[in-house]
Amino acid sequence: ETGVTQSPTHLIKTRGQQVTLRCSSQSGHNTVSWYQQALGQGPQFIFQYYREEENGRGNFPPRFSGLQFPNYSSELNVNALELDDSALYLCASSLADRETQYFGPGTRLLVL
Amino acid sequence: GNSVTQMEGPVTLSEEAFLTINCTYTATGYPSLFWYVQYPGEGLQLLLKATKADDKGSNKGFEATYRKETTSFHLEKGSVQVSDSAVYFCALSVFGANSKLTFGKGITLSVRP
Repeated sequence: ETGVTQSPTHLIKTRGQQVTLRCSSQSGHNTVSWYQQALGQGPQFIFQYYREEENGRGNFPPRFSGLQFPNYSSELNVNALELDDSALYLCASSLADRETQYFGPGTRLLVL
Repeated sequence: GNSVTQMEGPVTLSEEAFLTINCTYTATGYPSLFWYVQYPGEGLQLLLKATKADDKGSNKGFEATYRKETTSFHLEKGSVQVSDSAVYFCALSVFGANSKLTFGKGITLSVRP
């Protein structure tokens, strides 16, 4: 059974650019949640996808958007990057929207 | 709203010392409680969880008991090892429209040989 995987592991972008981060959920899991972890802080909930539909959103602006595909993998897209978007982005999958979440290794984004 | 408060860190202990990391919470509804651990350069790993009052979660020698009366979920280990050095996050989720996790700020534990 494979765990949650994320790509890329590291990314450097400049202000104003757009970025797409990818996540493959653990086998059999149909729910994916995305979190942003700033340096020295706990993760903050961005949004969740359950069976390809957005199922809740945290306090993040619309330039943070996502997708979930029929195989339950997911993308996080961030437009018009700002310096404060520099963070570790974590993806977590679960069997359903009410079950324990298991995290991937994260994508570290640096915005210059 | 929901929130998690962890004791201020960092914490430095000698190997084989006793560990306690405090965690208290506020929640609307009945939360499940979690401890996650993050090793350097890695994502989060679930350490243990408890889903109802008086439940004790345990794993790898770590324990935490869900105390509804004190809204706490303190993490303990009787004898820490150097390999326990990591950042520890307390978190909660309230089952509803989704089970988003609300995390504390985390605390860094360093264990000296």
